[in-house]
Amino acid sequence: KNQVEQSPQSLIILEGKNCTLQCNYTVSPFSNLRWYKQDTGRGPVSLTIMTFSENTKSNGRYTATLDADTKQSSLHITASQLSDSASYICVVSAIVQRMRFGAGTRLTVKP
Amino acid sequence: DTEVTQTPKHLVMGMTNKKSLKCEQHMGHRAMYWYKQKAKKPPELMFVYSYEKLSINESVPSRFSPECPNSSLLNLHLHALQPEDSALYLCASSQGGGGNGYTFGSGTRLTVV
Repeated sequence: KNQVEQSPQSLIILEGKNCTLQCNYTVSPFSNLRWYKQDTGRGPVSLTIMTFSENTKSNGRYTATLDADTKQSSLHITASQLSDSASYICVVSAIVQRMRFGAGTRLTVKP
Repeated sequence: DTEVTQTPKHLVMGMTNKKSLKCEQHMGHRAMYWYKQKAKKPPELMFVYSYEKLSINESVPSRFSPECPNSSLLNLHLHALQPEDSALYLCASSQGGGGNGYTFGSGTRLTVV
């Protein structure tokens, strides 16, 4: 069983709408949690990174939350744009060099 | 410079060819990584170099051979690949083993014919 589970697997929304992506993890011990945006055929680009003591982090229209007690994170996208169409990957790090990747949520924003 | 640069961006090679993928960073990062990513799947870790020494090999077949000539460069030598090795190969670097400043390159799209 993957230690990082994301939902939904895919999502279609209309331009201008908001959406929220979910990430649940069992990785332990916990070091940090990152959200990445990945366009098809390109490398992942970091959106946010949160450590144990942080519960909210914003980057423009992207806001990530973290509940380290329940081991849940969410990524909220406000006023979506066509360019937001991509895969969003949740990545959780333990203390050492390994990062655990979620399978990603494929977001499609339609005009 | 806050980028990880990968070359080439695209590569098509035959099963008998020998080729190399290159990765370069000038952020002073001391850990560098190779990942393989198939379509619609998350990246899978292949190798980790820490302070120019191979620290993790995720049981990768010997037809993939990593090399770290110095702290800024990471190569992946390819030989006798199979069509199922076609994928996006991603390089990443970080300040240390804890993953601070973790940055991905744009990847090399490899097609084995």
